Amino acid sequence: AQRVTQPEKLLSVFKGAPVELKCNYSYSGSPELFWYVQYSRQRLQLLLRHISRESIKGFTADLNKGETSFHLKKPFAQEEDSAMYYCALRGRGGKLIFGQGTELSVKP
Amino acid sequence: GAGVSQSPSNKVTEKGKDVELRCDPISGHTALYWYRQSLGQGLEFLIYFQGNSAPDKSGLPSDRFSAERTGGSVSTLTIQRTQQEDSAVYLCASSLGQTGYEQYFGPGTRLTVT
Repeated sequence: AQRVTQPEKLLSVFKGAPVELKCNYSYSGSPELFWYVQYSRQRLQLLLRHISRESIKGFTADLNKGETSFHLKKPFAQEEDSAMYYCALRGRGGKLIFGQGTELSVKP
Repeated sequence: GAGVSQSPSNKVTEKGKDVELRCDPISGHTALYWYRQSLGQGLEFLIYFQGNSAPDKSGLPSDRFSAERTGGSVSTLTIQRTQQEDSAVYLCASSLGQTGYEQYFGPGTRLTVT
């Protein structure tokens, strides 16, 4: 079965602290994984994808096939990072299979 | 340029009524997806269209849900005999193709069934 699990519904950190949003997946074959972000009152947008191996807004995510994980990390959280974060797996036909989402709250 | 647009932005309807939700994808995007965002279920896939191929309807929760895409552009999601559990935000996304391309999301339609 194709599935994405984000174990944390809410993650609260202080500004400047490191952040790690967890994501585990279930997929047979080579997965294509993404992190999407939804800021307050804005539409869902792509943050990064594993094939790009890029850093966006200071966030990185590494695909670990052994642990079937794709955790999102940032060394120093900023208040503007507060948002809803979704991990997603590309399924058949290109459709996205999303995790339940993690709300990140960065406190001053 | 113009992104994906959806209308209406909000819809309140009575239980048992039919509703139609509209999506205008980015011009030139051949793939169009519908998702539903609800408190209990998170973000779930409903249906997708790719060019002239038969749509993948595997995510539609019941036969009260249907969608069409006219002329390879605008899409309409129809919910018949709405139920309270249909209350959610319905999101549309489009992309240049099925795989390897970013999906761009619309602002969503918030449906409330009373």
